Amino acid sequence: GQQLNQSPQSMFIQEGEDVSMNCTSSSIFNTWLWYKQDPGEGPVLLIALYKAGELTSNGRLTAQFGITRKDSFLNISASIPSDVGIYFCAGLTGNQFYFGTGTSLTVIP
Amino acid sequence: DTEVTQTPKHLVMGMTNKKSLKCEQHMGHRAMYWYKQKAKKPPELMFVYSYEKLSINESVPSRFSPECPNSSLLNLHLHALQPEDSALYLCASSQESWLAGNNEQFFGPGTRLTVL
Repeated sequence: GQQLNQSPQSMFIQEGEDVSMNCTSSSIFNTWLWYKQDPGEGPVLLIALYKAGELTSNGRLTAQFGITRKDSFLNISASIPSDVGIYFCAGLTGNQFYFGTGTSLTVIP
Repeated sequence: DTEVTQTPKHLVMGMTNKKSLKCEQHMGHRAMYWYKQKAKKPPELMFVYSYEKLSINESVPSRFSPECPNSSLLNLHLHALQPEDSALYLCASSQESWLAGNNEQFFGPGTRLTVL
C-alpha cells in the first residue's frame, strides 16, 4: 500500500529543546492523525486534523494540516524525557488509512 | 470507558499450538481492526470488522482467523504459526467504519507474540 514518508527518521535532542517533524505524501488526504508509541505499547492518539490549513494544539504539541492536503507537521515545544518514543502520522482518504514510516525521538536529560 | 483492552499481554507458542488473542472495547465503536507490527515499523493492517462483519482482509494467511462475537469483542485465532509471525499484534476501534471517513482509530496496548 501507499506509504507516508516521515522525516526525520530519528532525532536525538537535549531536554528543553523544541522538536519538529513532518509527514509527506504524493496523494491528498482528508484527515491527518498523529500518534505516539512507547516501546511495547500501542499507539496513542495525540492530535487529529480534519481541514486543510488547520492548526491544533494539545498541551506542548502543535500539529498542522498542510494547505496542499499532502502533508502535515508536528511540533513539540520544550521537550521532556517522557516525550521519548516513536511518532507516527496517519492519513485517511476515502476508505484508505495509511501509517507513516515513523520518527523515533530520543530526549537526552 | 475510553480504552481498548487486549489479552494476553504476552504470548509464547509453538508452531503446532492453537491460541487466541482477545480485544474488547466499550466505547460503542462499530469498527474494529487487527494490526501486526514488527519492531520499529508502522502497524500493518490485517483485518477490518464493520458492524460485526468482516469488511477487509488484507490477504492475510489462513493461519490467522478473526472472529467478532459481538460489537464489543474481537478475537484473533492462531494456528500453525511460523516464527516470522512473531510480532506485536494491535487491536483498534473507531466510531464508525473507516468508510465513513474522518475516523480516528484508538489502539489497545497490544499482545507481544513469540512463535518458537
